[in-house]
Formats: sequence, C-alpha cells, structure tokens
Amino acid sequence: DAGVIQSPRHEVTEMGQEVTLRCKPISGHDYLFWYRQTMMRGLELLIYFNNNVPIDDSGMPEDRFSAKMPNASFSTLKIQPSEPRDSAVYFCASTWDGINTEAFFGQGTRLTVV
Amino acid sequence: AQTVTQSQPEMSVQEAETVTLSCTYDTSESDYYLFWYKQPPSRQMILVIRQEAYKQQNATENRFSVNFQKAAKSFSLKISDSQLGDAAMYFCAYRSREEGAQKLVFGQGTRLTINP
Repeated sequence: DAGVIQSPRHEVTEMGQEVTLRCKPISGHDYLFWYRQTMMRGLELLIYFNNNVPIDDSGMPEDRFSAKMPNASFSTLKIQPSEPRDSAVYFCASTWDGINTEAFFGQGTRLTVV
Repeated sequence: AQTVTQSQPEMSVQEAETVTLSCTYDTSESDYYLFWYKQPPSRQMILVIRQEAYKQQNATENRFSVNFQKAAKSFSLKISDSQLGDAAMYFCAYRSREEGAQKLVFGQGTRLTINP
C-alpha cells in the first residue's frame, strides 16, 4: 500500500475562498483522523471517523470547517470561507481497530491563506 | 476528555549523551495505548515507540526506551547515545481502546536539538 495520501501538498488561497483538502487512507483501516498543526497550538485533533461515521467533531474550530467521509477510501476537509488564521499544516491519519496499532500519517497539506 | 501534556517545549543534548523527554496524560480509562512519534523537518510523522497500558514492562526499541508510570499517568521517553539524526519534534500521544471510539490525542510536542 502507498500509505496515507493527502492532496494537495501545498495550497495558497485568498481569504474568503473555499478550500478542500483530500485524504485517502490506507486500505483496510477503519479509523481516519484529521489534525491541524500550528506553532502555537501544536497538533490539534479536529475530527475523527470510524467506519466512515464521524465519532467526535468537538475539535472543529467553527462552522466554517466541515469534514466528510463518503466511503472507506476517501475523506475531505473543507473550509468555507477561509481566513488567514486557518493557515497551518493539516494532517490526515488512519489506523485500524486492532491490538496496539499505530496511526499512519499522510505527508500533510500546508495551507496558506493570504 | 483525555489530554496529553508535554511540559518541555525545547530540549537539547550533546551528541552521544542521554536525554529524557517528559509526558503526562489525563484519563479515566484503565486500558489504552501510549505512543511517541518523531517529526523531522521533512514533516513526516514517524512512530518511535509504543506502550500498552496493561503491560507493566517498559517498552524499548534499540536506543529508545520509556518509563511508564501508570498511577502517576506519566510516560517519558529516554534516548540513549543521542545521534544527530535524532533531532526533531517529538510528540507523545494517547489512544483510547474504547470500542468504536479510539480517539488519538497528541501533546504539544518537544523540539529536540542535538549538539555535535
């Protein structure tokens, strides 16, 4: 398997625009996590899914953020409208419900909102 | 809710010396996993070591070992014989074992510098 795949790797957008980040988890994994990493706040868990169902979205900062997982092989994180304070690296990670299993991370998407 | 705290934003150590990174966590669960991840400048998150809460024996992986104190909710990482390639951000992470709700939460990270 190619690992967790995120796209795009880098995104620069203007304030007010819609941004969509994409993630393809490792085949067979039933958990998917979205994180945001900034210098000030570290790695924040935004939302996670189990078997395509959102389990906990309490980390989603506000209504401008939304995430979906329409099937086991694809998830999106959307920001609409984007703001400069959304600039960060966004990571997707996946794992499965087994003993002592680690989470595997994508390369992250560096988002810059100008 | 589970929380993870790393109280050392930055640490430095001389090459070949030993360094210990601290981590504490808060949970009401009795069974869970703990992890240390490394993030080099490439941004890729790499698993360093893992520990099951039900195991009393501390995990070791070559030069990396942990000191797991369940009652104190402490999970420190010891790096022996530090190498230049160990320079990175290190994150402590907690994973619940609750069926269908295995949340994975990270600490704020510790930036480790290796001095040659």
